[in-house]
Amino acid sequence: KNQVEQSPQSLIILEGKNCTLQCNYTVSPFSNLRWYKQDTGRGPVSLTIMTFSENTKSNGRYTATLDADTKQSSLHITASQLSDSASYICVVSGNTGGFKTIFGAGTRLFVKA
Amino acid sequence: EAGVTQSPTHLIKTRGQQATLRCSPISGHTSVYWYQQALGLGLQFLLWYDEGEERNRGNFPPRFSGRQFPNYSSELNVNALELEDSALYLCASSLRSQGIDYGYTFGSGTRLTVV
Repeated sequence: KNQVEQSPQSLIILEGKNCTLQCNYTVSPFSNLRWYKQDTGRGPVSLTIMTFSENTKSNGRYTATLDADTKQSSLHITASQLSDSASYICVVSGNTGGFKTIFGAGTRLFVKA
Repeated sequence: EAGVTQSPTHLIKTRGQQATLRCSPISGHTSVYWYQQALGLGLQFLLWYDEGEERNRGNFPPRFSGRQFPNYSSELNVNALELEDSALYLCASSLRSQGIDYGYTFGSGTRLTVV
């Protein structure tokens, strides 16, 4: 069964601290993995996208890693800001005909002053 | 380049009425996906259109339907609205080639409130 599991479900950190969000998946065959940031009531915005051959991708203070062998990804946020408070969603797409894009339930991040 | 645009931004309807939501994909994208996101919950897949045809639908009743036009824009229709249909409806588009989604991008959503 194709699944994407994210942890933790929610996280509270202080402004300026770093944090790491996890994503484990079982989608196979694998095509790409994306991390999105979703502010409350808004559409998700793409942060990074990685294919099978990539194991790290950065976007400013956001760095995503991918281990295709263990089917794990992480999103590291450096020097967190209040504006980082949002849901972070891991999305994995398969590489076959037909619909196979699976969404994780997201990690809700709260950054406090 | 214009992103995925959705209209209206907000929509208030009465229970039992019908709602129509619209989505214009990024130029060159041929696939459109619809999702429902109830307050505080994750995205639930509704419908997928590609090249004008419905390719897949999620676990939603037939009251939820839609179509894709020749210019790849799409419409989501919700009939006989119920209070629990109140949610953020998100549209995403992509260029689908050989089973792979390229450039998967979301719109800002339509907030539907049923009273």
